[in-house]
Amino acid sequence: QKEVEQDPGPLSVPEGAIVSLNCTYSNSAFQYFMWYRQYSRKGPELLMYTYSSGNKEDGRFTAQVDKSSKYISLFIRDSQPSDSATYLCAMSDKIYNQGGKLIFGQGTELSVKP
Amino acid sequence: EPEVTQTPSHQVTQMGQEVILRCVPISNHLYFYWYRQILGQKVEFLVSFYNNEISEKSEIFDDQFSVERPDGSNFTLKIRSTKLEDSAMYFCASQPPGADYGYTFGSGTRLTVV
Repeated sequence: QKEVEQDPGPLSVPEGAIVSLNCTYSNSAFQYFMWYRQYSRKGPELLMYTYSSGNKEDGRFTAQVDKSSKYISLFIRDSQPSDSATYLCAMSDKIYNQGGKLIFGQGTELSVKP
Repeated sequence: EPEVTQTPSHQVTQMGQEVILRCVPISNHLYFYWYRQILGQKVEFLVSFYNNEISEKSEIFDDQFSVERPDGSNFTLKIRSTKLEDSAMYFCASQPPGADYGYTFGSGTRLTVV
């Protein structure tokens, strides 16, 4: 079983839709969870960072972590064409998340159609 | 907003040649990383660096690879004798001290080995 699994998509939605992106993981030692957005041939851009179960909201983005199910989600409300990108989940088991490696999912390619 | 800067953006090299990829992390950050992404594949961890030494490295980071922070601002990745399979996007990332922060990535260097 892969450490982090993410449906690569592609996922196509109309503008204004609510988007749900998900990752599952197998390593119960993961404590820190991040969502990155990556445009083609660019570096990953940090969107959300959390280390506890529950929800964290930032504008149109909500990150959700369920450690008991080893499942994380990113919700995008009122999606815009500019949200079209690849979304990567990433996780770390390093204490205080310092100096350790991130394990990335495959990335989900999202396309928001006007 | 502070950025992680990587140079060059694209480098083409002959197989067997040495290459040095350069990064300028964000000034108050203390943890530094190199990741790579082969086209169409996951972002993979190479190495983390803290307090002038390697904290952790992956199986990919063999004797052909080395990292250095020569002058307190630059952070370099050297590949001694490049192989065709080293062709990838190489991303530098940095992180401030404290548990509440994710990693900031640079825009990457696209390395093509011919």
